Amino acid sequence: EIVMTQSPATLSVSPGESVTLSCRASQSIGNNLAWYQQRPGQAPSLLISYASTRATSFPARFSGSGSGTEFTLTISGLQSEDFALYYCQQYNSWPLTFGQGTKVEIK
Amino acid sequence: EVQLVQSGGGLVEPGGSLRLSCAASTLAFGTHAMTWVRQTPDRGLEWISFISSSSNTKYYADSVLGRFTVTRDKAKNSVFLQMNSLRVEDTAVYFCARGGPASASEALDIWGQGTMVTVSS
Repeated sequence: EIVMTQSPATLSVSPGESVTLSCRASQSIGNNLAWYQQRPGQAPSLLISYASTRATSFPARFSGSGSGTEFTLTISGLQSEDFALYYCQQYNSWPLTFGQGTKVEIK
Repeated sequence: EVQLVQSGGGLVEPGGSLRLSCAASTLAFGTHAMTWVRQTPDRGLEWISFISSSSNTKYYADSVLGRFTVTRDKAKNSVFLQMNSLRVEDTAVYFCARGGPASASEALDIWGQGTMVTVSS
C-alpha cells in the first residue's frame, strides 16, 4: 500500500497570502495524483488531477506540481472561500490512498 | 452535468446489514467506473470499493473484503454498496464518487453528498 503523507497538518494564514501544501508518496506514483478541497459538511471536490491539471470549476490561483514522490499544491492570494481542508490522493495503484489532509485556516 | 444522490444510511447494530445507494442524474454515469470512499475524523478518507463500468472488475479494501459487495444497475443509473457483518469501526460518512472511464483508475471527479452510517448497540 502506498502511504501518502501531507504536511503541514494545519496552516494558519491571512487572506491574500499565498500558501504551499506538500504531499509525499511512499513510492513513485508518476503523476497519478489528485488534490481535493473539502469544506465543512460537504463532500470533497476534485481540485487537481494528474498532479497539475486544474479542474475547470476552480480558479487559476490554484496550481499543482510534482511527480514521482513529491507534490505540491499552491494557492496564490487566498480568498475567504479557500479556507478548507485539502487532501491528496494517489490513483497509481490499488488500494487508492489518501493523505491525512492539510487544514488551511484563517490566522 | 452528472449529479450523484445517495441514500440508505442510518443506525444499525453490530453484525447487522445496510445497503447504500447512489443514483446518477444522467447517462454519463454508465460509462465510468464508480468508487466508494468513507470518512471518519480519526482515519480521514479511506477508499473501500471500486466497480468498473461493465461490473466485470471489482476491488475492495482489506478492511471490508468479504463483508461488503458493490454492484451497479445501468438501467437504474445506480451503484449500490451492500454492507454485511457491520462493525463499530465501520461507522463513517460514506461517499460514492465517479472515477475514470471503463475500468480506468483516475481521479474522482464527481462525489455524492455522503450518507452517515452508525454501527452501535
